[in-house]
Amino acid sequence: AQRVTQPEKLLSVFKGAPVELKCNYSYSGSPELFWYVQYSRQRLQLLLRHISRESIKGFTADLNKGETSFHLKKPFAQEEDSAMYYCALSDTPSNAGGTSYGKLTFGQGTILTVHP
Amino acid sequence: NAGVTQTPKFQVLKTGQSMTLQCAQDMNHEYMSWYRQDPGMGLRLIHYSVGAGITDQGEVPNGYNVSRSTTEDFPLRLLSAAPSQTSVYFCASRTRARQGGLYGYTFGSGTRLTVV
Repeated sequence: AQRVTQPEKLLSVFKGAPVELKCNYSYSGSPELFWYVQYSRQRLQLLLRHISRESIKGFTADLNKGETSFHLKKPFAQEEDSAMYYCALSDTPSNAGGTSYGKLTFGQGTILTVHP
Repeated sequence: NAGVTQTPKFQVLKTGQSMTLQCAQDMNHEYMSWYRQDPGMGLRLIHYSVGAGITDQGEVPNGYNVSRSTTEDFPLRLLSAAPSQTSVYFCASRTRARQGGLYGYTFGSGTRLTVV
C-alpha cells in the first residue's frame, strides 16, 4: 500500500525566512512524487515533480530514497506563498512497460502562513 | 483546451436524493480520478479509471458509483446522499504516456456539495 505523511498541519514563518514542508512516503516500488499547492480552496496546481528540475515560485524538493522523504523547500518565503500544500505519490511507473494504475495518494496537507 | 471541467460548482442536496457530478477533459487523458477533500484529511481517492470501460475503487468508494463510457467523461454518481458526503469533490486526469518535465495530474476546479 502507498502512503504519504505530512507531519505538520500548520506551519508559520515570517517573510524572508526559509521554509521547509516535510513529506515522508511509503511505497514498495519506485515512486513518482509531486507537490501540489492550493490557494484559498481553488483547484490544485502542480508545483513540483521529482523527476523534473523545473519548479514554480522558487520551490525545490529532493527525493531521498534512503529516508523516503520528499521535503519542499524555499530559501526566502513570500507572503503570496501562503496556501495549502499537498505532497502526493503516484504508482504510475516512470519506466516503460509494467502495469500502471494512475492512482495518486495525497498527504493530509500543510497550511503555510507567511507573516509580513 | 479547456482542461478538466467540473459541473456544477455548488450543489445542495437533501438526504436521500441522488445526483451526478460531471467531469470532462479534452486532453485525451487515459487516467481519470475522483477525490473528496475534507478538513484535516487531505484528498482521498473515491474511484479511478485507467481508460474507457475500466474503473476501480479507491480509498472511500462507498455511496458512490462511476462509469467511463468515453475517454472524455467520468461522472460520479451519489446514489442516496448522506450528510457525511458533504465535501468538496475534485476530478483529475493524466495521460498514461511518459512525459518529461513538470507534468502531472490536472485538476478541475471542484464541486462544493452540501447534504442537509
